[in-house]
Amino acid sequence: DQQVKQNSPSLSVQEGRISILNCDYTNSMFDYFLWYKKYPAEGPTFLISISSIKDKNEDGRFTVFLNKSAKHLSLHIVPSQPGDSAVYFCAASTSGDYKLSFGAGTTVTVRA
Amino acid sequence: ETGVTQSPTHLIKTRGQQVTLRCSSQSGHNTVSWYQQALGQGPQFIFQYYREEENGRGNFPPRFSGLQFPNYSSELNVNALELDDSALYLCASSRGGQGAAGETQYFGPGTRLLVL
Repeated sequence: DQQVKQNSPSLSVQEGRISILNCDYTNSMFDYFLWYKKYPAEGPTFLISISSIKDKNEDGRFTVFLNKSAKHLSLHIVPSQPGDSAVYFCAASTSGDYKLSFGAGTTVTVRA
Repeated sequence: ETGVTQSPTHLIKTRGQQVTLRCSSQSGHNTVSWYQQALGQGPQFIFQYYREEENGRGNFPPRFSGLQFPNYSSELNVNALELDDSALYLCASSRGGQGAAGETQYFGPGTRLLVL
């Protein structure tokens, strides 16, 4: 049962423009959300997180937005850079639980 | 600060064999989680260890087992390997354990296992 879904397997964006990655979830008990970035032959690297008590969290070029009523979150990368080309995973967890539930990932390609 | 390390990086086994994968957690972290990532999918939770005890388990059969040591390093053991066990195995460490809210897990580079 896939509780976290990333419906876009890939995204291509021009350098300098905005990248918007989307993620939907079905479990209303999720209260902590994270984005990870993964290069080939490496493990996922933590990017940014957001608690369910917030609707926005910003860290440099990365901003995560959370819409609890729609069970939707998004990651904005502005401006996109060639080094941002990677697979991005959305993950979620529940207080009192011990695991992260991941989406299938979105491959971002930033074109020069 | 030392990050999460895993060994070996790659491994080839045949069906029916047993395998042990190793993970050293990031300094200051007492919780280790293991994930399996099949090709084209997101990581799937196998189990978590907190202070040397299993703290939760995903939907994996008993032939997947683990250990955590007093220094918080961990092992993942898989018995009676099947072809579908071919995947990237990821270890992640964190500070919380016991279902601590809002704990970020930090991942190692993974072990790529191929079962023939």
